[in-house]
Amino acid sequence: GAVVSQHPSRVICKSGTSVKIECRSLDFQATTMFWYRQFPKQSLMLMATSNEGSKATYEQGVEKDKFLINHASLTLSTLTVTSAHPEDSSFYICSAGDFQETQYFGPGTRLLVL
Amino acid sequence: AQSVTQLGSHVSVSEGALVLLRCNYSSSVPPYLFWYVQYPNQGLQLLLKYTTGATLVKGINGFEAEFKKSETSFHLTKPSAHMSDAAEYFCAVSDRGGSSASKIIFGSGTRLSIRP
Repeated sequence: GAVVSQHPSRVICKSGTSVKIECRSLDFQATTMFWYRQFPKQSLMLMATSNEGSKATYEQGVEKDKFLINHASLTLSTLTVTSAHPEDSSFYICSAGDFQETQYFGPGTRLLVL
Repeated sequence: AQSVTQLGSHVSVSEGALVLLRCNYSSSVPPYLFWYVQYPNQGLQLLLKYTTGATLVKGINGFEAEFKKSETSFHLTKPSAHMSDAAEYFCAVSDRGGSSASKIIFGSGTRLSIRP
């Protein structure tokens, strides 16, 4: 099946700094990628839809100025958590799907903001 | 709007026993349905999916699920549980038929524990 990677797998940062998370589709092109957030022992909550070459579409309640998404190419989407605070600590997961295929999920990035 | 309800946040079965994880969905259009498994601190792995056609879907690791439109259900089963099946399981529905631009809505998850 298709492979989606995320980098880094784990990051610790100080409050107030920005953190960038990369999501790559390794063996297929993805015009659309999705970013999810998962709190401990909870389900995945969709944050935004990342569209190659255009602005991301954010779900209700997600601050677009705080969670910057860039989909610069057909294989790369980035999520930047700006001015991170402890409440932003979470597990962030991306997914991607090529046409006619199910979405494939990355391994996730654990963010801890101190 | 689409939604998914998973009955039971935690299910515990003995090794070798039947596994049954329940999922009901709500959708205004014919749904695409999925079951994913998540091991601790890892991403999601697709177990199986229903798109169209045969309503009994077989997936990896011996799991299967049956789409029942009349009951709006998509329960996941495995005849004989193995210790390695212990994980979190998510039922999900897609809003636009499984294309690359489809949003996936997840249920709240069911943690499966296996007793020796």
